[in-house]
Amino acid sequence: DAGITQSPRYKITETGRQVTLMCHQTWSHSYMFWYRQDLGHGLRLIYYSAAADITDKGEVPDGYVVSRSKTENFPLTLESATRSQTSVYFCASGERGLAGFNEQYFGPGTRLTVT
Amino acid sequence: DAKTTQPNSMESNEEEPVHLPCNHSTISGTDYIHWYRQLPSQGPEYVIHGLTSNVNNRMASLAIAEDRKSSTLILHRATLRDAAVYYCIRSGNTPLVFGKGTRLSVIA
Repeated sequence: DAGITQSPRYKITETGRQVTLMCHQTWSHSYMFWYRQDLGHGLRLIYYSAAADITDKGEVPDGYVVSRSKTENFPLTLESATRSQTSVYFCASGERGLAGFNEQYFGPGTRLTVT
Repeated sequence: DAKTTQPNSMESNEEEPVHLPCNHSTISGTDYIHWYRQLPSQGPEYVIHGLTSNVNNRMASLAIAEDRKSSTLILHRATLRDAAVYYCIRSGNTPLVFGKGTRLSVIA
């Protein structure tokens, strides 16, 4: 199916463990993004990528690692999870044009709980 | 820093028009205005965007002030499904920065 998918949809992990959230898009968009959303807050950009092997930090990158070896995948890794990283994580993809960053398509989100 | 100002919440009756305001008084000449909305328990979805002229699509209309310091998202006939958080975003060549948005409640 065309679109953007995230896995897992729900994850519970313990403090200090490494966890990887997956994101896959089928549109061949150049740009991919990771956001986190905490209760009562808007979305905050963690990392984004302009193309394979090109990544850049967003507003809140500390504690996260990303990679993009293939255009369609953009995994987000929490190297040593902390309780403050309990959040809903959204992946998005899109292109960049005359309007700056064009329409972005968001995945359904991954709800991560760190105990 | 979202660089836009929106009311925290608004309420509308079903089947009536809704005007969602956004202030972006420090907007630069090349920044576009984007609107996204987020339905409960879902990721955000694109609504509309524009630069200077008013824009219409199947979901909504966007009215941009002549001085571009403010804009209004217009839902012509609110339905219960339109209950969501609406985000107004100004964007140039940097990724979108989401603020807290306006939570729209629609009353049947």
